Order: sequence, then C-alpha cells, then structure tokens
Amino acid sequence: GAGVSQSPSNKVTEKGKDVELRCDPISGHTALYWYRQRLGQGLEFLIYFQGNSAPDKSGLPSDRFSAERTGESVSTLTIQRTQQEDSAVYLCASSVGGSGANVLTFGAGSRLTVL
Amino acid sequence: KQEVTQIPAALSVPEGENLVLNCSFTDSAIYNLQWFRQDPGKGLTSLLLIQSSQREQTSGRLNASLDKSSGRSTLYIAASQPGDSATYLCAVRSVSNYKLTFGKGTLLTVNP
Repeated sequence: GAGVSQSPSNKVTEKGKDVELRCDPISGHTALYWYRQRLGQGLEFLIYFQGNSAPDKSGLPSDRFSAERTGESVSTLTIQRTQQEDSAVYLCASSVGGSGANVLTFGAGSRLTVL
Repeated sequence: KQEVTQIPAALSVPEGENLVLNCSFTDSAIYNLQWFRQDPGKGLTSLLLIQSSQREQTSGRLNASLDKSSGRSTLYIAASQPGDSATYLCAVRSVSNYKLTFGKGTLLTVNP
C-alpha cells in the first residue's frame, strides 16, 4: 500500500483480556518495527523484524507481549492478560531494509485503553 | 545506553517568528539523526534525516543541523505558521544497533 496501515485505530478493553494489534507495512519493506508511546513519554522500542524473523525482541516489556510477522508482510502484536499500564499508542514502522541509512515510515498507531 | 533529550518541552510563539528546537544525545556513535513531526491522533511524519557524515539538511522552511561530536542537533523553523503547530520529535539511530531512540518531543504552538 501507499503507507503503513494499522488496525484497530482505537481499542478499549477490560483488564485481563487479550488484544491483537495489526500492522500492514509498505509493500516491499523488509524491516518492520513496533514502538509504544505512553502518555507523556517518548517512544519506546518493542521489537524489530527483518523479513519474518525478529532478531531483536529486547524491548518487549514482559512475556505477556508477543509479535509475529508472516509473508514478510503483515505483523501482529499480541498482548495477553492486559493491564492498565499497557494503555498506550502502539506505533508500527517499516523501512526498505534494516540498514542504518534507511528512513522509517510510521503508521498512525493503535490507541489501546485498558480499563 | 543512548539517551535523547529535547529542550524545550513546550514552546509557544506568534506567527511569523523564527524558532529553534534543540536535541541532545549521549552516545555520538550514530548512523543518523531524524526529526519527525507528530500531529494529534496521527502517526509520525519524517521531516529531515541527517546522516552522521553530514552537518545539515534543509527542506523548505526547515533546517536541521548536526554536531555529532558534541551530541547536538537543532531544528530551525523559519517564518513559523499556525500549521506548524505539532509535537516535534528527535530520534537517533545508534551504530551499536538499528533502533531509533527518541526524545520526548517539543510541543510547538504557533499562534495566529
């Protein structure tokens, strides 16, 4: 597609429920990143995919968080047993490759509210 | 660990003024530095990307400079307009990894 698409744009859930957030990167972009932005905070790195592999998962805050990518395209971020501190905007970005020179294009984000 | 700081946290100016946003980073071993704009409810829009070997980049009324050795960058906005109102984020890509490390941003308000 023309840009990075994320869905849902907004999600309200109850504490303890599982949620899935989806990212459709720009076609042909092999690198995909997930970031989290909590209110009043900077963006926090969560995970990086190169193709379907995730060489860096170091930013995932707990084992309740997981992500996968298939077909070198769509990625899903899953949060199990959501907690109130998971409330944030989850941003996805993609780039042509993982090289440091490549520009990241960000999606509009998925705003998650855990009640 | 790379840390990025942006000053000021918020800035309010009248339309037409020239202004400077500041960004500093602790580890000078970077690939590049990028300035983004974030509008409420929207994603990040890349404004300027400066490679580590460059000193500045210009796009329209925007000019970004980079002093890698001192760990500083500035974003200069000329003749500000109300449409420039947004949060401006600075991010660096460290040589040690491929992550972007972001500052917390500067919230800019340009008053008509």
